[in-house]
Amino acid sequence: EEYLVQSGGGLVKPGGSLKLSCEGFGFTFRDAWMTWVRQAPGKGLEWVGRIKSKSDGWTTDYAAPVKGRFTVSRDDSRDTLFLQMNSLKTEDTAVYYCATELTYDAFDVWGQGTLVTVSS
Amino acid sequence: DIQVTQSPSSLSASIGDRVTITCRASQDISNYLNWYQQKPGKAPKLLIYEASNLETGVPSRFSGSGSGTYFTFTISSLQPEDVATYYCQQYDDLPPLTFGGGTKVELK
Repeated sequence: EEYLVQSGGGLVKPGGSLKLSCEGFGFTFRDAWMTWVRQAPGKGLEWVGRIKSKSDGWTTDYAAPVKGRFTVSRDDSRDTLFLQMNSLKTEDTAVYYCATELTYDAFDVWGQGTLVTVSS
Repeated sequence: DIQVTQSPSSLSASIGDRVTITCRASQDISNYLNWYQQKPGKAPKLLIYEASNLETGVPSRFSGSGSGTYFTFTISSLQPEDVATYYCQQYDDLPPLTFGGGTKVELK
């Protein structure tokens, strides 16, 4: 069975930094394109960014609101995805999910989510 | 950027009712449209991929159709466990990948 386990998250002040992790199990992590999606309290889903596999150049893409502040990276030796969040704003407060598309062009495996609260 | 407009934003229906949700894309996305179900406090779950394909293990009362710019998602006979929020998501052009605004389905 394929699954993702997230860690990190918590309370951080505006302007601060935080790093989230997401470890993959049950699938060949190094071949997977990995994505971060977030959900502000009471709101809908918002795509944050993704990183492709090594064979696809480890290319990264970002949503406009986070570009230049957030960095998606991966350590394939540890089957782990990261989201480094810098210069955090109150509007970054959300549950952050990692996800991957193993079989189709759709997110068929999701992490459990982790809450990031940006507040003074 | 491709915009995805989902409607309605909420609906109330009775057990056994047929429920239909629509998504419109701002430009042709072929069949690159997926549907997810999200229950409170849980991660989204993939139900339909590529507009009309049922994910393994998903009950057959769920279905999707459409192509180009207009898509529909249907629950043929609403069950209590279907109370959730449903999202469409386009995968034709990114960045950014975009989700619809969601449809909250409640029991009447």
